[in-house]
Amino acid sequence: EAGVVQSPRYKIIEKKQPVAFWCNPISGHNTLYWYLQNLGQGPELLIRYENEEAVDDSQLPKDRFSAERLKGVDSTLKIQPAELGDSAVYLCASSAAEGGKRFFGPGTRLTVL
Amino acid sequence: LAKTTQPISMDSYEGQEVNITCSHNNIATNDYITWYQQFPSQGPRFIIQGYKTKVTNEVASLFIPADRKSSTLSLPRVSLSDTAVYYCLVGDPFSGGYNKLIFGAGTRLAVHP
Repeated sequence: EAGVVQSPRYKIIEKKQPVAFWCNPISGHNTLYWYLQNLGQGPELLIRYENEEAVDDSQLPKDRFSAERLKGVDSTLKIQPAELGDSAVYLCASSAAEGGKRFFGPGTRLTVL
Repeated sequence: LAKTTQPISMDSYEGQEVNITCSHNNIATNDYITWYQQFPSQGPRFIIQGYKTKVTNEVASLFIPADRKSSTLSLPRVSLSDTAVYYCLVGDPFSGGYNKLIFGAGTRLAVHP
């Protein structure tokens, strides 16, 4: 069974540029999460989707971050414009149900110069 | 959400048993204890989950004393490939708050030859 797929794996951009990350969850998983992980820290939840609905986006910096999950499958996380402090790993995870075991993708490592 | 405390780092040698203890003094009645493992450049991976006493799977064992204020992840006969960060999380999988689980910094386990 394929795991959670993320692309790109690495991205280097200059500050003030836009950037987007893509996630394809495990087939059949209704719950999708986006996390941010800074170096040496654990993942921090940015947003959670139940199907196509964002049910928890309280931790998402909405002035520059946005996300969508069209048709309740793939999801895209966007940053516009990127700032130096956005350099981190962005992880996508999915679970079969709310509260279920989470399966994480390999993450996208973003470097903002 | 119950706060957890675990050692920042541990060192071990191949073939030894490793025990990582997590303190969660404020654990609630409905909370479960879940451990994730994260290798470099990968997303976290679910290892084990338990509510009380002992749980064992093909990867690890989880020991939970009667008062449930702490838990111990036990890795038998570690190898170099067990070098990773281990996260202890506490929450009720059946409540909305579970999705806000905080990973914390985890315990960095280094296994030496």
